[in-house]
Amino acid sequence: SAVISQKPSRDICQRGTSLTIQCQVDSQVTMMFWYRQQPGQSLTLIATANQGSEATYESGFVIDKFPISRPNLTFSTLTVSNMSPEDSSIYLCSVIDTDLTEAFFGQGTRLTVV
Amino acid sequence: RKEVEQDPGPFNVPEGATVAFNCTYSNSASQSFFWYRQDCRKEPKLLMSVYSSGNEDGRFTAQLNRASQYISLLIRDSKLSDSATYLCVVIGLQRDDKIIFGKGTRLHILP
Repeated sequence: SAVISQKPSRDICQRGTSLTIQCQVDSQVTMMFWYRQQPGQSLTLIATANQGSEATYESGFVIDKFPISRPNLTFSTLTVSNMSPEDSSIYLCSVIDTDLTEAFFGQGTRLTVV
Repeated sequence: RKEVEQDPGPFNVPEGATVAFNCTYSNSASQSFFWYRQDCRKEPKLLMSVYSSGNEDGRFTAQLNRASQYISLLIRDSKLSDSATYLCVVIGLQRDDKIIFGKGTRLHILP
């Protein structure tokens, strides 16, 4: 299993600013992902965080808006840049274990942009 | 066709009843299948994995039908605490593996 620590758990930010969310895993994992969950919606994959290379972004998400770092196999950050109220959402990091037997989630970051 | 599709519900079910959800997936190469449960304002938590042979955990039974590319979840003798959103989750076995979520099925158990 994997235990994920995600910070911050919540924040209220001014529009136009940026917020960096951190995700720390207690073991080395190959696959790490960032999701967004807007109110009343399911999880939408933003990108796959790749260790040592650029993240792989899903359609509708771009690096300039959501830069991601993955310096090693236990840590990743997601930055929400130049925020607007539409970015208000819950952001979750997730990892899959090596055997693809389970996905684990951070506790989520509840972001409100005012 | 969407990668993973679920009926969003809500399913309003009296306590003690049996309820079943289905989920279809589009990628025949998908490898691993799960049902996750998400309570309001919480992160998703694994409910159970889904195997071709079917698996049962107490009141919950999950089935996988690879030929028709769907998975199912059956909840018997439903409890008030079963009220949640149930997410169908599929993981592939390709070089660009990722976790694909269905939009979730909302279940309300009524007293």
